[in-house]
Amino acid sequence: DGGITQSPKYLFRKEGQNVTLSCEQNLNHDAMYWYRQDPGQGLRLIYYSQIVNDFQKGDIAEGYSVSREKKESFPLTVTSAQKNPTAFYLCASSILGTYNEQFFGPGTRLTVL
Amino acid sequence: AQSVTQLDSQVPVFEEAPVELRCNYSSSVSVYLFWYVQYPNQGLQLLLKYLSGSTLVKGINGFEAEFNKSQTSFHVRKPSVHISDTAEYFCAVSATNDYKLSFGAGTTVTVRA
Repeated sequence: DGGITQSPKYLFRKEGQNVTLSCEQNLNHDAMYWYRQDPGQGLRLIYYSQIVNDFQKGDIAEGYSVSREKKESFPLTVTSAQKNPTAFYLCASSILGTYNEQFFGPGTRLTVL
Repeated sequence: AQSVTQLDSQVPVFEEAPVELRCNYSSSVSVYLFWYVQYPNQGLQLLLKYLSGSTLVKGINGFEAEFNKSQTSFHVRKPSVHISDTAEYFCAVSATNDYKLSFGAGTTVTVRA
């Protein structure tokens, strides 16, 4: 059954700690994306990657880092430099070269205590 | 760059009544347009999309939308809603020569019995 998995679903972190959110897809998609969702603000792009070992900053990359060592995996690290990390984080993937229909994972809700 | 404005942040509606969600976009190039639906604490699911051709597109769960190039709009409608349509709805746009999506702020639809 193809899809995108994100783990964990809920994550709590103390201020000053780094935390890594997992995103895995078995759709054989080339591109992967990370979004942040805050109430009333829609989705904002953090990072995206078109190919293994390459990624680009989105609109709100400060305080975040990513890696793309495998096609199916795109983990996101929320660092202590992110000043307001409490949010809902969504991972997505898409095929390149066609219209950009993105498929989304179920999300991870991060709360900083 | 592309941008999206969803004209209503909240839409309350009674069960079996019609609903229309309004979306305007801005772009200097040709675009693809999307509506996504998000149920509470879940990821996004594609509701419908406009790529080219007929300006009237049908989606899942009885929704349909009309692309109006002259008015730069992509409003979505459903003639009779159910309680299960309670969700947040996002309009999104991408340039046809790009693969990144720009999202609107979202419209929360609450269906009451």
